[in-house]
Amino acid sequence: GAGVSQSPSNKVTEKGKDVELRCDPISGHTALYWYRQSLGQGLEFLIYFQGNSAPDKSGLPSDRFSAERTGGSVSTLTIQRTQQEDSAVYLCASSLTGRLNTEAFFGQGTRLTVV
Amino acid sequence: DAKTTQPNSMESNEEEPVHLPCNHSTISGTDYIHWYRQLPSQGPEYVIHGLTSNVNNRMASLAIAEDRKSSTLILHRATLRDAAVYYCILRDRSDKIIFGKGTRLHILP
Repeated sequence: GAGVSQSPSNKVTEKGKDVELRCDPISGHTALYWYRQSLGQGLEFLIYFQGNSAPDKSGLPSDRFSAERTGGSVSTLTIQRTQQEDSAVYLCASSLTGRLNTEAFFGQGTRLTVV
Repeated sequence: DAKTTQPNSMESNEEEPVHLPCNHSTISGTDYIHWYRQLPSQGPEYVIHGLTSNVNNRMASLAIAEDRKSSTLILHRATLRDAAVYYCILRDRSDKIIFGKGTRLHILP
């Protein structure tokens, strides 16, 4: 596809279960970002991948959160032992490079509900 | 991370120009000024960016103060579809994109 694709679009899970959220960036984009947006709130930075460099994990809220980016393309955000406060929309974005004059393209997000 | 300050909300009449201000007094010489907007129930979308000179594109114009400590996003003729949260962001050496609270723009018909 032409844009950033995220799956699933909606996920309902029970408290304590693990979930995996997927992001397919635009082909050829070397930079990939994950954000979290709780209801009525702003975007909270989670993690940033740029090429083969070590990811910037400074926004991950706890060690229950982790992310991988395989082959410089698809990324998976994993949340272990989900809690109700993890309920939010998780947004992924990609950009052609990580350079400061490059625009980022966002997916439509995955709405996670922990019950 | 470099910081920006924006009004929490603004109103404008449909078909009139809108000027959205942003203060970034701690900007450094290499920071780029980016604007994104987020329409209801959608992911953010890029609007425009600049470094020193004013910029125009099909969506908007960006006016950057001479000292670069402030900038203004200009929507030339607002429509109802322009109702969104507008984020002013400084992209600095850290590379990651940090969003603030933004300005919620209401368009009155």
